[in-house]
Amino acid sequence: AQTVTQSQPEMSVQEAETVTLSCTYDTSESDYYLFWYKQPPSRQMILVIRQEAYKQQNATENRFSVNFQKAAKSFSLKISDSQLGDAAMYFCAYLKGSGYSTLTFGKGTMLLVSP
Amino acid sequence: DVKVTQSSRYLVKRTGEKVFLECVQDMDHENMFWYRQDPGLGLRLIYFSYDVKMKEKGDIPEGYSVSREKKERFSLILESASTNQTSMYLCASSLSRAWQPQHFGDGTRLSIL
Repeated sequence: AQTVTQSQPEMSVQEAETVTLSCTYDTSESDYYLFWYKQPPSRQMILVIRQEAYKQQNATENRFSVNFQKAAKSFSLKISDSQLGDAAMYFCAYLKGSGYSTLTFGKGTMLLVSP
Repeated sequence: DVKVTQSSRYLVKRTGEKVFLECVQDMDHENMFWYRQDPGLGLRLIYFSYDVKMKEKGDIPEGYSVSREKKERFSLILESASTNQTSMYLCASSLSRAWQPQHFGDGTRLSIL
């Protein structure tokens, strides 16, 4: 079974600084997808960024980028120029690429952003 | 934009009651999911459905059932609510292709007294 581990229950960053959230996963599959979801306090969970395992290039979405290390099974999220609105719970998730499959989530990292 | 609507944001029920949580999506998604979210445990999958009248157990199905009579609606049923089912419940939907992301509702915070 696949597992996703987020080793940082909580992280803090100051506005305009950069922060990296860690995620490791365990799988024997070669075809899969990785996601970072953001859940602001009392608000809807939304997708931040997605990475296909077959792509070597790291995904980027504006201030959000990932460092995907397939051999190490590591998938960290970097947030540049942090903003107050980035404060949220961040979940790393894994999805097998073939057949019927479901997301496996990590336990989440709470990101605190201070002025 | 995809809209996933959960019928209640907050719900309080009593032990032993039969509880229905409703979820509706407006984007003709094939897949629908029910999760519960607890502090320190992340999201755990209760049930999912890949098509109308089709359901599959997730990681923690005990004490729950589901119904999907129409493509847009996926209901979670607590047959006899217990205090350990007090939690945040999230519904999600997605297209059938694996790489499509899931879209989530706002969640229902359920308290069982």
